[in-house]
Amino acid sequence: QKEVEQDPGPLSVPEGAIVSLNCTYSNSAFQYFMWYRQYSRKGPELLMYTYSSGNKEDGRFTAQVDKSSKYISLFIRDSQPSDSATYLCAMRRPNFGNEKLTFGTGTRLTIIP
Amino acid sequence: NAGVTQTPKFQVLKTGQSMTLQCAQDMNHNSMYWYRQDPGMGLRLIYYSASEGTTDKGEVPNGYNVSRLNKREFSLRLESAAPSQTSVYFCASREGSANTGELFFGEGSRLTVL
Repeated sequence: QKEVEQDPGPLSVPEGAIVSLNCTYSNSAFQYFMWYRQYSRKGPELLMYTYSSGNKEDGRFTAQVDKSSKYISLFIRDSQPSDSATYLCAMRRPNFGNEKLTFGTGTRLTIIP
Repeated sequence: NAGVTQTPKFQVLKTGQSMTLQCAQDMNHNSMYWYRQDPGMGLRLIYYSASEGTTDKGEVPNGYNVSRLNKREFSLRLESAAPSQTSVYFCASREGSANTGELFFGEGSRLTVL
């Protein structure tokens, strides 16, 4: 079983819809949670970062962490065609081995104009 | 500001050939990384360098070697390429602490081993 599970999609939604992207994980030691966005043929770029449980909002994006359920979500409001990309969740244990960041496999999202 | 630059962007190798992927960053970051990305597997860490002069193995180091040439440059070498090393390779650098620092990625190097 993978430490981090993410539905690969693809997910297609009409422009303006609310998008929900999710990851589940098995290791309760994860404390730092991130969402990266990766456009086609490009490298990932950090979109949202959250520590422990709770919500964090940045413009049209909201990241949510539920540690009791080992479940994280990224919500995109008023989705735009420019949001079409692959979204990768990532998480890390504090001070573990200096550098281990575990990524999900990514969900490919297409926003239809 | 170029960020993280990788060369080459594309490469085709025959089994047994060797090659080096080059990476340079201009953000004065201490830590640098090499990842590979495969369908259904996500990003997996090959090697990393926490600071100039140090390198450490990640999840999937077999078949690879690295060199941290200076603070800016971190290269990945395949000594004897195998078809299983067909992948997209990403170099990254990090600002800030190990827990919270953001990773900055290059655009990737697409390698095919025949």
